[in-house]
Amino acid sequence: SAVISQKPSRDICQRGTSLTIQCQVDSQVTMMFWYRQQPGQSLTLIATANQGSEATYESGFVIDKFPISRPNLTFSTLTVSNMSPEDSSIYLCSAGGVGNTEAFFGQGTRLTVV
Amino acid sequence: AQSVAQPEDQVNVAEGNPLTVKCTYSVSGNPYLFWYVQYPNRGLQFLLKYITGDNLVKGSYGFEAEFNKSQTSFHLKKPSALVSDSALYFCAVRDDTGAGSYQLTFGKGTKLSVIP
Repeated sequence: SAVISQKPSRDICQRGTSLTIQCQVDSQVTMMFWYRQQPGQSLTLIATANQGSEATYESGFVIDKFPISRPNLTFSTLTVSNMSPEDSSIYLCSAGGVGNTEAFFGQGTRLTVV
Repeated sequence: AQSVAQPEDQVNVAEGNPLTVKCTYSVSGNPYLFWYVQYPNRGLQFLLKYITGDNLVKGSYGFEAEFNKSQTSFHLKKPSALVSDSALYFCAVRDDTGAGSYQLTFGKGTKLSVIP
């Protein structure tokens, strides 16, 4: 199993600003993912963070709004840019989970935009 | 495309009674199925998974799940519920072929409340 540390755990931000969320895994992993969980809803995949190359974004998510870095096999960041109240969500980092293996999750970042 | 349905938003059960949280899925290939639990202000914790073989899968904290291919279901069960089992439960599926081999699709979640 992998232990994933995600920070900050929560934040309250002003609209128009940006927040960077960090995700640290205790072992090298090939795949890292970022999800959004809006209030009372399921998890939606934002993007796959690829080491050494640009992230792969899902439909409805763009790099300008959610830039992602993956400098090595244990670390990734997600930035939520030019925030609006609609960005208020829980953002979750995930690692591992290819084929029949389970994915592991960080504790999440609860973001409130005011 | 792959999808997961959790037909119940909330399940209430008395402590000590058996519990079932329902999940049905759709994939084009063979499914890998997972259950996760989310406690308040926490991330998702892995409970159990089905890959192949025995249709009854046992996982953490006394939970088990039954895979039924003909009904495309993967219901989560526990013989005797505890108050501490109260949480949000997510079913997830991954296809074993192509691009779906890494993308995990989640159901909307079922809130389980165990009543003392």
